[in-house]
Amino acid sequence: AQKITQTQPGMFVQEKEAVTLDCTYDTSDPSYGLFWYKQPSSGEMIFLIYQGSYDQQNATEGRYSLNFQKARKSANLVISASQLGDSAMYFCAMSPNDYKLSFGAGTTVTVRA
Amino acid sequence: DTAVSQTPKYLVTQMGNDKSIKCEQNLGHDTMYWYKQDSKKFLKIMFSYNNKELIINETVPNRFSPKSPDKAHLNLHINSLELGDSAVYFCATGGAIYNEQFFGPGTRLTVL
Repeated sequence: AQKITQTQPGMFVQEKEAVTLDCTYDTSDPSYGLFWYKQPSSGEMIFLIYQGSYDQQNATEGRYSLNFQKARKSANLVISASQLGDSAMYFCAMSPNDYKLSFGAGTTVTVRA
Repeated sequence: DTAVSQTPKYLVTQMGNDKSIKCEQNLGHDTMYWYKQDSKKFLKIMFSYNNKELIINETVPNRFSPKSPDKAHLNLHINSLELGDSAVYFCATGGAIYNEQFFGPGTRLTVL
């Protein structure tokens, strides 16, 4: 079974600063995908970024980057230059070969002006 | 055009009733999912269908029955609703490249 751990229930960040959201995972599958999703207060789930377990480079998508440390089984999300619209809940998720996503408990980010 | 749509968005009903939630996707993906998000925001997979065939059933009570009439639709029927069924139910569809999943807007079910 897969387990995803997000240890930060809530974080505050100043506008224009960077914030790192922690995620560790546990799996025995050799091949897997790691994902981050954003859930704003409106409730929808928005896909942000993906990292494959065999990818050599860290994934980046605009202001989002994923700090992937395979040996430590961590996949932290870095949001650079935070904006007020980044205030939301962020979920780390993992998908092994059977395709289902297992989610962490989420981290709430509040961006302060 | 909305990629993944769900109806209804809100559903309020009495205990013991039977209700359905519909999901449609226009992305042409083969795989569709149902997830449940509880009051603590924890998300858990319920079912997965690939090309109209059930491939994942995560020990969900058999009061929940998914039905996939075609590749673009995956509906969720719930019999004999209980208070504990109150949650947000998300439909999702799997991407072709690395299975990034695209979620519908969610259906907030409240059982009174």
